[in-house]
Amino acid sequence: EAQVTQNPRYLITVTGKKLTVTCSQNMNHEYMSWYRQDPGLGLRQIYYSMNVEVTDKGDVPEGYKVSRKEKRNFPLILESPSPNQTSLYFCASSEWQGSNQPQHFGDGTRLSIL
Amino acid sequence: AQTVTQSQPEMSVQEAETVTLSCTYDTSESDYYLFWYKQPPSRQMILVIRQEAYKQQNATENRFSVNFQKAAKSFSLKISDSQLGDAAMYFCAYRSAGGNKLVFGAGTILRVKS
Repeated sequence: EAQVTQNPRYLITVTGKKLTVTCSQNMNHEYMSWYRQDPGLGLRQIYYSMNVEVTDKGDVPEGYKVSRKEKRNFPLILESPSPNQTSLYFCASSEWQGSNQPQHFGDGTRLSIL
Repeated sequence: AQTVTQSQPEMSVQEAETVTLSCTYDTSESDYYLFWYKQPPSRQMILVIRQEAYKQQNATENRFSVNFQKAAKSFSLKISDSQLGDAAMYFCAYRSAGGNKLVFGAGTILRVKS
């Protein structure tokens, strides 16, 4: 089954404690992306990757890091989380940059930073 | 930069009736895609319908149809014969033809009354 898998689904942690949200896709997609969802703001792109070792900032990259060492994985790293990063996070993938196929979304990760 | 506006934070509809959700967008591009996503309480992002800007014909998917007005930059979603399972947050989204970043509206909560 084609899917994007995020882990964990929920996480409550404290300010400053480094955390990683993993994202993995099994569709051999080149393009992967992270979004955060906040009330009244919809989803906003954090970072994206067009292929292995190619990453770039989205609209709200501050406080986040990503890496793309393998095609299937695109982890989101919060080196020193702060309460303003409390949000719902989505990973998404698509075939390649500009593909006319819609993106596949993971099921979301609810992060609470205390 | 492209923007997407959903002016209705909440809407209600009686079961079996029809409801229309509004969406406007701003872009200087001529080739792009528009989407409606449904987010039920499970938080999944479910693609409801999509429209290619170069197509004049409005997209339809069973009970869901759109009214795409390219000159007015308007993209409304009509849900016919509303069902209890249609209750969710609905997001309108824009994507450039050559890119992959989705630009989302703030969302509209749809409540369905029995």
